[in-house]
Amino acid sequence: EAGVAQSPRYKIIEKRQSVAFWCNPISGHATLYWYQQILGQGPKLLIQFQNNGVVDDSQLPKDRFSAERLKGVDSTLKIQPAKLEDSAVYLCASSLPVGLFSGANVLTFGAGSRLTVL
Amino acid sequence: GNSVTQMEGPVTLSEEAFLTINCTYTATGYPSLFWYVQYPGEGLQLLLKATKADDKGSNKGFEATYRKETTSFHLEKGSVQVSDSAVYFCALSSGGYQKVTFGTGTKLQVIP
Repeated sequence: EAGVAQSPRYKIIEKRQSVAFWCNPISGHATLYWYQQILGQGPKLLIQFQNNGVVDDSQLPKDRFSAERLKGVDSTLKIQPAKLEDSAVYLCASSLPVGLFSGANVLTFGAGSRLTVL
Repeated sequence: GNSVTQMEGPVTLSEEAFLTINCTYTATGYPSLFWYVQYPGEGLQLLLKATKADDKGSNKGFEATYRKETTSFHLEKGSVQVSDSAVYFCALSSGGYQKVTFGTGTKLQVIP
């Protein structure tokens, strides 16, 4: 089966500019995640969608970050305006639907989009 | 909130040495526990998992046992290979929507 697709793989922008990342999950995976991975740190969850609804965005800096998942399939993460501290790899992942009785939540990750803010 | 603490790296071992990477967690309820691995130039991928106390996850010669009494999920391998060089992440999922929380990662380098 095709994996999680992300683009672009690399992006360099100047601070205060905007950037958008795109993700297409595995077919049939209702749950989609965006993680931020700063160099030397573990991935931090920014937002979790189930179908096209948001179930967790508690760590998303909403003054500058936004994400949408129209039609419950692919998703876009936007940063506007970017700051130096946004330099990171943005990971998209997907999984089967999750819930109280869904069992262990196994994520499949894309290759990531590396952002450098100058 | 939930959290995962891993031993800091990098860990450097000779080929065929025994590996242990420590992981402890804090979580409400009954989390599932995971080890993910990131090989150089590749994305994160699941290595193994355990869903309840005393479960042992295993894959590719790696093992980890879910220890509820010590809130630990240490990763072990009896004889590492150069190809095991990677960054290893301990993680847990819990809550109604099974939010996944990761540790900071431990880099393993295996030298011939």
